[in-house]
Amino acid sequence: DVKVTQSSRYLVKRTGEKVFLECVQDMDHENMFWYRQDPGLGLRLIYFSYDVKMKEKGDIPEGYSVSREKKERFSLILESASTNQTSMYLCASSLQYRTNYGYTFGSGTRLTVV
Amino acid sequence: AQKVTQAQTEISVVEKEDVTLDCVYETRDTTYYLFWYKQPPSGELVFLIRRNSFDEQNEISGRYSWNFQKSTSSFNFTITASQVVDSAVYFCALRPGNTGKLIFGQGTTLQVKP
Repeated sequence: DVKVTQSSRYLVKRTGEKVFLECVQDMDHENMFWYRQDPGLGLRLIYFSYDVKMKEKGDIPEGYSVSREKKERFSLILESASTNQTSMYLCASSLQYRTNYGYTFGSGTRLTVV
Repeated sequence: AQKVTQAQTEISVVEKEDVTLDCVYETRDTTYYLFWYKQPPSGELVFLIRRNSFDEQNEISGRYSWNFQKSTSSFNFTITASQVVDSAVYFCALRPGNTGKLIFGQGTTLQVKP
């Protein structure tokens, strides 16, 4: 069974901390994505990556960065966490660019910044 | 602009009722893909259906059916004889043909009461 695994289900961090959210997929997918989910706003794309060491900004990249050193792993970094980054974070992967394949999602990380 | 609108924020029905979740999309692309995902309380988004812009044939899968109408830019989802296990957040999403990104609607929370 294909899997996207996010390292933490729940996280509580303090304002100003550097936070790492990890995502690993075992499907050999080229594409990986980070979304945040907020009530009434749906899912909004933060960053995505089409290949190792490649990254592109999504719709709301401010305050975030990403790292993709290996194909299977895509990390989201909050350089200095703030309370407005309290949210559910969802990682996803997909097989190829420009195909009609959908995404496979992880179970999400609910981050609270206090 | 590329956009997905799910105007219904929350819907509550009694078990065995039929329910339709609305989805309206905007895109100037002639090739695009539409998706529906289900997010149960566990948090992981589950893929339900994919449709490409050249296939307007409606689809039925058990109690689920989808009505795709390009003339009104809509891709509505109907659950027949709803069950308590259908309670979840449902997302409609658009994937423009020239990008690997999924654009999500705001989501509709469906509550099915016994």
